[in-house]
Amino acid sequence: EVQLVESGGDLVRPGGSLRLSCAASGFDLTRNYMTWVRQTQGGGLEWVAIIYTGDGAFYSDSVKDRFLIYRDQSKNTLFLDMTNLRVEDTALYFCTRDFWLWGQGTRVTVST
Amino acid sequence: DIVMTQSPRTLIVTLGQPAAISCRSDQSLVHRDGPTYLNWLQQKPGQSPRRLIYQVSNRDSGVPDRFSGSGSDTYFTLRISRVEAEDAATYYCMQSTHWYTFGQGTKLEI
Repeated sequence: EVQLVESGGDLVRPGGSLRLSCAASGFDLTRNYMTWVRQTQGGGLEWVAIIYTGDGAFYSDSVKDRFLIYRDQSKNTLFLDMTNLRVEDTALYFCTRDFWLWGQGTRVTVST
Repeated sequence: DIVMTQSPRTLIVTLGQPAAISCRSDQSLVHRDGPTYLNWLQQKPGQSPRRLIYQVSNRDSGVPDRFSGSGSDTYFTLRISRVEAEDAATYYCMQSTHWYTFGQGTKLEI
């Protein structure tokens, strides 16, 4: 079965760090564009980061220089390393393949 | 960033009746290579988003043919020919021509 399963979300203090994982099954995620998208409590969707098949990666201005997207081919898993977290990073984080296949999301809460 | 504006924000429709959701972008969504990368997503409560339509009018596999997309340049529409109970959801337009941005969502109530 083709699916994505995210994990790693947690409650963290401002300035803290977190690593999100997205395990893929049923396909090779290195052969696809993989994206992280987040959704705030109010429902708004925001693109966070994308990694292309050639390992080129790009970030939204709101997370640039704080987040890192990468893959582990041996684990067929996508990651998002999040540093210097801010209250406004609080959201449900989804990984998606081409915006067609989505995981169930993992919740990140940044709060004191 | 390209701003996507949807209307209405809430749409109340009777079962079996048609529905239409509009989406405008503040810049043309025609890519320099030719295609227009405008997508429609559906999100039911407690679920992840699901893509229904890509490149303006192409239905994804498994999407009922009562869903259709149309439009060009900066103005796009998602139509449901006859609304069914399972269509109750929030619908988002999303552009992927110039990076990626989403509309605010339209909640369809039945």
